[in-house]
Amino acid sequence: GIQVEQSPPDLILQEGANSTLRCNFSDSVNNLQWFHQNPWGQLINLFYIPSGTKQNGRLSATTVATERYSLLYISSSQTTDSGVYFCAVAAYTGANSKLTFGKGITLSVRP
Amino acid sequence: SQTIHQWPATLVQPVGSPLSLECTVEGTSNPNLYWYRQAAGRGLQLLFYSVGIGQISSEVPQNLSASRPQDRQFILSSKKLLLSDSGFYLCAWSKQGYQPQHFGDGTRLSIL
Repeated sequence: GIQVEQSPPDLILQEGANSTLRCNFSDSVNNLQWFHQNPWGQLINLFYIPSGTKQNGRLSATTVATERYSLLYISSSQTTDSGVYFCAVAAYTGANSKLTFGKGITLSVRP
Repeated sequence: SQTIHQWPATLVQPVGSPLSLECTVEGTSNPNLYWYRQAAGRGLQLLFYSVGIGQISSEVPQNLSASRPQDRQFILSSKKLLLSDSGFYLCAWSKQGYQPQHFGDGTRLSIL
């Protein structure tokens, strides 16, 4: 099946700093989503981005499907950005958008 | 707008007891439905998905089963829980086809 690798596994930032989170995947995809899991376990949808670039406030994401990677940018980080960030993809040949998740990136933003 | 509900939020069960977790979706019809499990400190693993009433596909062999008795209801069950069934269970839905998935708040299951 499709493989998803996220890097770095852990990230510590000072409040106000910028960061880039990376997701590599091993096959063509028809779905790519970025999620933020907060300390209570809730999975918050950040982006649905199988290709292209999107922005939402301080967050933006870019997926280069032909090169099989996606980047999540966080600017002016805040302590509330802390948590685990997951990239999840569904292989192009798969049915019904079954997602395969990466292992996640644990982000800690210090005041 | 669409919403997804899971309950209970937390559950503590003894080994060998039965399990029933419920998930319902509002504001849409004929959704795809999914059950995931997240072990402590790890990513999510797809357990079951359903494209319609009574249609269940299992992704991994295990002690659990799923059912979809109604269009927007998805149930995760076990006849006898094992210690290894502990974890965080999340239900998700998506529209048919290659559409983004939306997750419920999850059920934290502890087996004693």
